[in-house]
Amino acid sequence: AIQMTQSPSSLSASVGDRVTITCRASQGIRNDLGWYQQKPGKAPKLLIYGTSNLQSGVPSRFSGSGSGTDFTLTISSLQPEDFATYYCLQDYNYPWTFGQGTKVEIK
Amino acid sequence: QVQLVQSGAEVKKPGASLKVSCKASGYSFTNYYIHWVRQAPGQGLEWMGIINPSGGNPTYSEKFQGRVTMTRDTSTSTVYMEMSSLTSEDTAVYYCARRDVVGSTAWLDPWGQGTLVTVSS
Repeated sequence: AIQMTQSPSSLSASVGDRVTITCRASQGIRNDLGWYQQKPGKAPKLLIYGTSNLQSGVPSRFSGSGSGTDFTLTISSLQPEDFATYYCLQDYNYPWTFGQGTKVEIK
Repeated sequence: QVQLVQSGAEVKKPGASLKVSCKASGYSFTNYYIHWVRQAPGQGLEWMGIINPSGGNPTYSEKFQGRVTMTRDTSTSTVYMEMSSLTSEDTAVYYCARRDVVGSTAWLDPWGQGTLVTVSS
């Protein structure tokens, strides 16, 4: 199975900060990667698919980039509602695998 | 609107079996695969498997092979996930999610609300 290594596992940031989360795949996965946001007690929510495609309704401060094995989720200006846990998910082959998650907390 | 509604919370004893349902609405049920994902308390997301509501054999994570069965009922647009021989390590929230695809790109959206399963003696 493809291993997805996500970093950092947690970070503290202030409103307005630029935040970057990375995900590294144990083998090349083309651009078959998505990013999901999860708030406590809620189901995950799709933010980005296919590495860089913003899901409808998701604010443009979220963006994704990368290809092959290295991928990045960027929040250009952190907002109060962005404090949550973020997961990457590779859909290149089965079993699909998630990163370990990054918890974004208020500084 | 497109929606997945899951069955309610369950408490099970070790060794028992579990069956969680996921009812789809707002779209053509047989056109989209359904994935199952679980999340143990305070832990990350874990992919369990996928079922094609049109038919064919589901694909399971190796971890759950032999212990999980995914089925579907097209008459009620419902997918089921059954798990046997439960242990305390199966205590988790179980989610279903619809897979959407464009070309070779896929994603999970929407997700069900989750079903909390507690395994305790």
